[in-house]
Amino acid sequence: KNQVEQSPQSLIILEGKNCTLQCNYTVSPFSNLRWYKQDTGRGPVSLTIMTFSENTKSNGRYTATLDADTKQSSLHITASQLSDSASYICVVSGLGQTGANNLFFGTGTRLTVIP
Amino acid sequence: DTAVSQTPKYLVTQMGNDKSIKCEQNLGHDTMYWYKQDSKKFLKIMFSYNNKELIINETVPNRFSPKSPDKAHLNLHINSLELGDSAVYFCASSRYRGGELFFGEGSRLTVL
Repeated sequence: KNQVEQSPQSLIILEGKNCTLQCNYTVSPFSNLRWYKQDTGRGPVSLTIMTFSENTKSNGRYTATLDADTKQSSLHITASQLSDSASYICVVSGLGQTGANNLFFGTGTRLTVIP
Repeated sequence: DTAVSQTPKYLVTQMGNDKSIKCEQNLGHDTMYWYKQDSKKFLKIMFSYNNKELIINETVPNRFSPKSPDKAHLNLHINSLELGDSAVYFCASSRYRGGELFFGEGSRLTVL
């Protein structure tokens, strides 16, 4: 069964600290993995995409990693800011039988950065 | 220059009523989606259209009916609203099926 699990469910950190969010998936065949950020009251926005051949990708203070062998991804946030407070959703794209991609959503990690 | 816009942003209505939520994208994308986000913040796919053709129809009560007059619009009509329909509904689009999703701001539906 294709599943995406994220941990922790919620996280509270002090401003300026680093944190790492985890995403484990069982989606197969795998196409790509995206991390989305959802601010309160807004729609999710894509932060980064990881394909099978990519191990690490950075977007400013956000660094995503992918281990396609163990089917794990992480999102590392450096020097957190109050504006990083949001839900972070891992979405895995799998190749369907028709050749089109299907999307599988994680339940998200709620990050709160406090001053 | 909102890429994906949906209206209304808030909707409060009584049980049994019929309501619609409209969605438009100006990105030239071929695929559009409706997602439901429940109180636990989990996003669940409801429908997906590709070039006006329905390609995903998850187990959703038939009180929910999507309509795509053209590939830039995907509206959601809900009949006989129930308390459990209260949620935030997100419209999204992508250049192709399974591509990067561009979400609207969400429509918060409250059924009393």
